[in-house]
Amino acid sequence: DTEVTQTPKHLVMGMTNKKSLKCEQHMGHRAMYWYKQKAKKPPELMFVYSYEKLSINESVPSRFSPECPNSSLLNLHLHALQPEDSALYLCASSQGGGWDSPLHFGNGTRLTVT
Amino acid sequence: AQSVAQPEDQVNVAEGNPLTVKCTYSVSGNPYLFWYVQYPNRGLQFLLKYITGDNLVKGSYGFEAEFNKSQTSFHLKKPSALVSDSALYFCAVRYNKLVFGAGTILRVKS
Repeated sequence: DTEVTQTPKHLVMGMTNKKSLKCEQHMGHRAMYWYKQKAKKPPELMFVYSYEKLSINESVPSRFSPECPNSSLLNLHLHALQPEDSALYLCASSQGGGWDSPLHFGNGTRLTVT
Repeated sequence: AQSVAQPEDQVNVAEGNPLTVKCTYSVSGNPYLFWYVQYPNRGLQFLLKYITGDNLVKGSYGFEAEFNKSQTSFHLKKPSALVSDSALYFCAVRYNKLVFGAGTILRVKS
């Protein structure tokens, strides 16, 4: 079982909807990440939070809005998405933010935009 | 530019035979290298990493990887493949972020 929990597992939304993806970890990790993954492709980094502060934004469109309410929680707010945004969204955490520590991934939210 | 290459889209191996999934890297300085595995409908799972030290790194589920500086390779190996090893494998190198290879599908047939 994964130690990073993502909800929901599946999400279908229209282009005018607003929804949120949630991620939770209780390993005491201080860095948390959002990745986007298309089928059979490597994950693409979207955002990194280190010690609850946004440290990396990979030029992600503003229709994706991350939030880190505390060290255990990470949200991704979605608004006015496009069909091409349909993908598996993965949350990950690590002990530190220096990329030396392994990433622990959740099982993802499979998002379909109609 | 820092990068990793996985030259094989897919590797097929019979159960019980040894398996190798190839990875080559291009980095300046000392590389930090990782292997991750992704089973269907799951997130990625960390298998092993090389930072420094012994060139043979042992990881989870009986996997190991051999770091070869002269060939700039970090191939993933297992002495005896299981059907349950069938999955998508990613090599990655640390740069200012984690740079993943394109991935290799491993199919183990019984």
